[in-house]
Amino acid sequence: DAKTTQPNSMESNEEEPVHLPCNHSTISGTDYIHWYRQLPSQGPEYVIHGLTSNVNNRMASLAIAEDRKSSTLILHRATLRDAAVYYCILRDGRDDKIIFGKGTRLHILP
Amino acid sequence: GAGVSQTPSNKVTEKGKYVELRCDPISGHTALYWYRQSLGQGPEFLIYFQGTGAADDSGLPNDRFFAVRPEGSVSTLKIQRTERGDSAVYLCASSLRRPGTGELFFGEGSRLTVL
Repeated sequence: DAKTTQPNSMESNEEEPVHLPCNHSTISGTDYIHWYRQLPSQGPEYVIHGLTSNVNNRMASLAIAEDRKSSTLILHRATLRDAAVYYCILRDGRDDKIIFGKGTRLHILP
Repeated sequence: GAGVSQTPSNKVTEKGKYVELRCDPISGHTALYWYRQSLGQGPEFLIYFQGTGAADDSGLPNDRFFAVRPEGSVSTLKIQRTERGDSAVYLCASSLRRPGTGELFFGEGSRLTVL
């Protein structure tokens, strides 16, 4: 499976935008970019996914570089409830399983 | 509707004992996944079912671990001769079958402690 690289941790202030980076220089043409997050003491939850174009949903936006070697998850206005571990994952379009890395632990400061 | 349900939420057992963990997926979801998560680590893939059959069991660490899904719905993860290193949170997820794109819905996990 192609690998992703994320910072171990990040901090952000409440009510400000958060940009979570992810590098995936070995991405293949059939890989989708997925983001999940895991709140304390809960299972992971889906956030967003994309292939080539930027994507928006009610939770976040996903900005994908033109060469697809990196992407950024954008939380437009962070709240304390957004404090979680965020996982950037490459998922082959022919595959059903998801392989998690270590993710980025996001701390939100009040 | 109901989400993914896992039982028990907590299990404490002694080294060498047999353990079963149950997962009740979202109704209609044909794909079912098992992961385990140790403290400070991301979830580690164990096995994936499509319907009743195990489509990918490459993550099972050894032959003490086995999982079944006999009717294509509820799944049971079975661990024989438990060891202290098996202590972890075991997560189950289900999804519709959409390779590459399908959203996985996770349960809250079963915390296993082996003394």
